[in-house]
Amino acid sequence: SQQGEEDPQALSIQEGENATMNCSYKTSINNLQWYRQNSGRGLVHLILIRSNEREKHSGRLRVTLDTSKKSSSLLITASRAADTASYFCATERYTGTASKLTFGTGTRLQVTL
Amino acid sequence: EAQVTQNPRYLITVTGKKLTVTCSQNMNHEYMSWYRQDPGLGLRQIYYSMNVEVTDKGDVPEGYKVSRKEKRNFPLILESPSPNQTSLYFCASSLYPGRFYGYTFGSGTRLTVV
Repeated sequence: SQQGEEDPQALSIQEGENATMNCSYKTSINNLQWYRQNSGRGLVHLILIRSNEREKHSGRLRVTLDTSKKSSSLLITASRAADTASYFCATERYTGTASKLTFGTGTRLQVTL
Repeated sequence: EAQVTQNPRYLITVTGKKLTVTCSQNMNHEYMSWYRQDPGLGLRQIYYSMNVEVTDKGDVPEGYKVSRKEKRNFPLILESPSPNQTSLYFCASSLYPGRFYGYTFGSGTRLTVV
């Protein structure tokens, strides 16, 4: 079952602009993670935010988490052509005996010169 | 270099011919899992393994088997592949799930079943 749903499905911006992607989920989580995937390649972990955190930064990335609304956003500032990729949010639920990382369908980001 | 290694990268096979996709990690991670990625459906979990003693089904386990005989390896087995198993497959690992660690993914295996 799909846990995370990303919005928008596709985003096209110019280099230097900021890109914002949103993610919604349905159930309680331990953490939410964002991944990047270049065309057909493996996913690369970008950032993890725990359920008791509201905001986190890493370089040009800023992630927010609102557990009351079950939503998260990823902001990429001063985008570059190299940021062109698909971005996925993934929610993790851990029970002690099982762990499940569930992905959304992703946002395709195109950064043009 | 810390990594998850999948083999092969590309595979074309015929319906019903058993195949194995290997996955190995060199990071001493406890947790490993398999995903398939299909257009419009995102990534869906096939199987996961909390450690060498615990393996369980994910969301789409039908038609797949796994084995975790040692910590570093987690092969995916298709006993009788069918065309609906044509997909892009990823293996992933994590040191301790549910805490502060992200997952490390392999480069993927593109499987075509004809």
